[in-house]
This record gives sequence, structure tokens and C-alpha cells, in this order.
Amino acid sequence: LAKTTQPISMDSYEGQEVNITCSHNNIATNDYITWYQQFPSQGPRFIIQGYKTKVTNEVASLFIPADRKSSTLSLPRVSLSDTAVYYCPDECHGNNRLAFGKGNQVVVIP
Amino acid sequence: SQTIHQWPATLVQPVGSPLSLECTVEGTSNPNLYWYRQAAGRGLQLLFYSVGIGQISSEVPQNLSASRPQDRQFILSSKKLLLSDSGFFLCAGSVNRESGYTFGSGTRLTVV
Repeated sequence: LAKTTQPISMDSYEGQEVNITCSHNNIATNDYITWYQQFPSQGPRFIIQGYKTKVTNEVASLFIPADRKSSTLSLPRVSLSDTAVYYCPDECHGNNRLAFGKGNQVVVIP
Repeated sequence: SQTIHQWPATLVQPVGSPLSLECTVEGTSNPNLYWYRQAAGRGLQLLFYSVGIGQISSEVPQNLSASRPQDRQFILSSKKLLLSDSGFFLCAGSVNRESGYTFGSGTRLTVV
């Protein structure tokens, strides 16, 4: 499995844009890059997926550089309800088996 | 879109007792199904995955087993629970790579 790495925790104020990075040093050619959000005592929720360049949906934007060795999840104007753990799981070389690391705890402060 | 149902939400079981957690899928057919465990403050550990009825792959050696008797049913079991089996168990389903995983709401198991 490819191994992704993320910062462990970060704080942000309400209304700010939050950018979370993930390193994909061993990403395979046909692997997608996906991000999930998890609230306490709930299962993770799929947020966004991309392969290269930029993807935007109603929740977030995902920026992927040409070499695909990293990705950045951007949350515009966060609110208190965006406090959660964010994951960028490894895809097992396109076999649709995801390996989740510890994720990045984002705490939004009033 | 698919929905993953898990029950119970919480469970307290004595050491040595059996375990059966059930996961059912609604809204799709022939999904890939997964069992994950999450220890407190940690990431999700993939335990088992299944690409079809009766097809189970284990990711880590352990005291647990999984079965898929029907297309939309995935069961996690143990004959004798250990204290180390405690955790938050999550079932997930996936129809294709582009749509990502859908997770259930999880079962918090405490072995005492």
C-alpha cells in the first residue's frame, strides 16, 4: 500500500479558509486521491476525489500538482461544524482497498 | 445511493463471549464491503474486505472472522472475545472507485 502522511492537528478561526495537505510519496499511476471527514463516534464521510489538477464541489476544493506527490484539501470559510478529523487514505494500487492513517484533527475556534 | 446499516450502536461483552456484528447494504447491489476497527485516537485499521458472496480477504491476523452469506450482508464474528478486541467497528461499502466509500454509523464494542 502507498503511505500518505498528514500533519496531526491544526486550529483555525471561524470564517477562515483551511488548507490541509497530504503527502503521497508512493502513489501509483492509477490511484485516485480521496478525502474523508469524520466526526466523533461516526463513520467517515466521503468529501471529494480527484486524479490531477483541481476539483471543486459544494463542500471543498482539492488541489493536486502535476507530480501527484501531494494534495491539498481546501475548506472555504469554516464554521464550528467543520471541526472533525480529515483523512486522505491510501488506495491499494487501484484495488479499491483504502488504508486510513491517523488523519488531521481540525478544530474550528469561535 | 447506498446506505450502510450497522447494529447495535454500542455493545458491552464479557471476555470469552461470542460476537456477531451485522452490516447490511441498501440501495445498491454487488458492492465491495469492508470491516474496519478504530482504536481510540487512532486511524482506521482495515480488518476484512469482500468483493462478493462467500469471498473474504483478511488484512491482519486476529481473533475475529468475517462472512458474507448474502450480497448485501456482511458479518463480523468472534468465538471468544479478548480484552484487546475492544474498539469502534465500522462497516463500509463501495460500488466503484469513483464514488468512494460509504460508511455505517459504527458499533462501539467494549470487552470487559
